Amino acid sequence: GESVGLHLPTLSVQEGDNSIINCAYSNSASDYFIWYKQESGKGPQFIIDIRSNMDKRQGQRVTVLLNKTVKHLSLQIAATQPGDSAVYFCAQPQGSSNTGKLIFGQGTTLQVKP
Amino acid sequence: EPEVTQTPSHQVTQMGQEVILRCVPISNHLYFYWYRQILGQKVEFLVSFYNNEISEKSEIFDDQFSVERPDGSNFTLKIRSTKLEDSAMYFCASNRGAGLQETQYFGPGTRLLVL
Repeated sequence: GESVGLHLPTLSVQEGDNSIINCAYSNSASDYFIWYKQESGKGPQFIIDIRSNMDKRQGQRVTVLLNKTVKHLSLQIAATQPGDSAVYFCAQPQGSSNTGKLIFGQGTTLQVKP
Repeated sequence: EPEVTQTPSHQVTQMGQEVILRCVPISNHLYFYWYRQILGQKVEFLVSFYNNEISEKSEIFDDQFSVERPDGSNFTLKIRSTKLEDSAMYFCASNRGAGLQETQYFGPGTRLLVL
C-alpha cells in the first residue's frame, strides 16, 4: 500500500543552526506534497507545499526539496528558532487531486536548544 | 486570516455515550474532512465530504460514525456509541477544491477522552 515515512523520529538542533527533516514516499501517482507543523496541543499547520514539476520551492526560512528519482523530500529550516520546536509531518494526497485524503508520515519532533 | 474552528476543545464522555464534534470550515471552502490522531501517533484520515455527501471514508469510519453539514457553516462528526479506543484528537480540515493550488487547512482539534 501507499506509505509516507520519515527517517528520524527526533531531531535536536542548536538555535541558529539549520535543520533538515527528511521524508520518503512510495506513491508516485500523487504529484503534490505538503509539509505541516504541529505544535503541542494544536492542529497541523500548513508550512509549504511542492508539486512534482518542481525540484525546489522556497518560503520564508523554509525550503522544500523533492527528489523524484529516489522518492524523497526534505524540509530545510534556516536559522532555527525556539518557536520552530514542533512535530513536522510530510503528507501526500492519495491520487492526483489535492482534494483526496491526506496520507501523513509518522512525524519528526524538532527540538531547538537555546 | 480565515481559519477552521472546532468546538469543544475538550470532551470527556462515558463509554457508550454519543458525542458530536463540531467544526466551522473556512467559508469559501467546498471540501471538508475529519481526521483523528491517537496520542503519539500520526494523523489518520476518517472521512471526506463534498456536495453534501461522503466522498470517501476509511476503515475506521464504521457505522458508529456519521457526518453532517446541517447548515451553511457547520460540519459535524457524530460518534453514536463511543468506545475506549475512540479516545483521540479529532481534527476537521477544509479545502477550496480540485485544480487549485491549495492544501487542506486544519482546525485546532477536539480532544476526546472516553472513560
